[in-house]
Amino acid sequence: AQKITQTQPGMFVQEKEAVTLDCTYDTSDPSYGLFWYKQPSSGEMIFLIYQGSYDQQNATEGRYSLNFQKARKSANLVISASQLGDSAMYFCAMRETNNNDMRFGAGTRLTVKP
Amino acid sequence: DADVTQTPRNRITKTGKRIMLECSQTKGHDRMYWYRQDPGLGLQLIYYSFDVKDINKGEISDGYSVSRQAQAKFSLSLESAIPNQTALYFCATSDGPGTGGNAGELFFGEGSRLTVL
Repeated sequence: AQKITQTQPGMFVQEKEAVTLDCTYDTSDPSYGLFWYKQPSSGEMIFLIYQGSYDQQNATEGRYSLNFQKARKSANLVISASQLGDSAMYFCAMRETNNNDMRFGAGTRLTVKP
Repeated sequence: DADVTQTPRNRITKTGKRIMLECSQTKGHDRMYWYRQDPGLGLQLIYYSFDVKDINKGEISDGYSVSRQAQAKFSLSLESAIPNQTALYFCATSDGPGTGGNAGELFFGEGSRLTVL
């Protein structure tokens, strides 16, 4: 069963604006980690940000922040002040502590318009 | 040099042929993973290994096998390739969750693009 859902196949944002990429997940494990990765057109996978299930505060890394709503099982990525170089595929992923593998969503293709 | 190296980077083969994709890492991580990426499906986990004697099936292991020859090497084999195994394959490593305060994120190789005709 799909455990990670990204409902936005594609998103557009104007340069310098903020954008939110949605991610919902399903787990019965009380301990888990949530990750976001970026894949530019060149193909490499780049780790962006991490949120642990017991973390009290939302994670932030530079222009990236993770809007973690545990009760709703959502872990949305917020990119502030979008840049042209942010155009890429973005993947949400989850690792359950009991399983310890890492599963990915289908991804969202973000296009930043000048 | 890349920390996680995959060979070959590109391969075209025919239906029924045996194919091996190799992965080596210099990060010293115990955990290694193989994923395949298809458009619209994201990354799907094929196999993973947490040490040399540990092999685990992922979401889509049918038609694939793996070998963990050493801590640094993890190879993926397609015994008899078929066209629907055409995809981009990624190897990844991790030092696991919480190690030294790390998130235990994955470190990816550059990918191996496989085409089965």
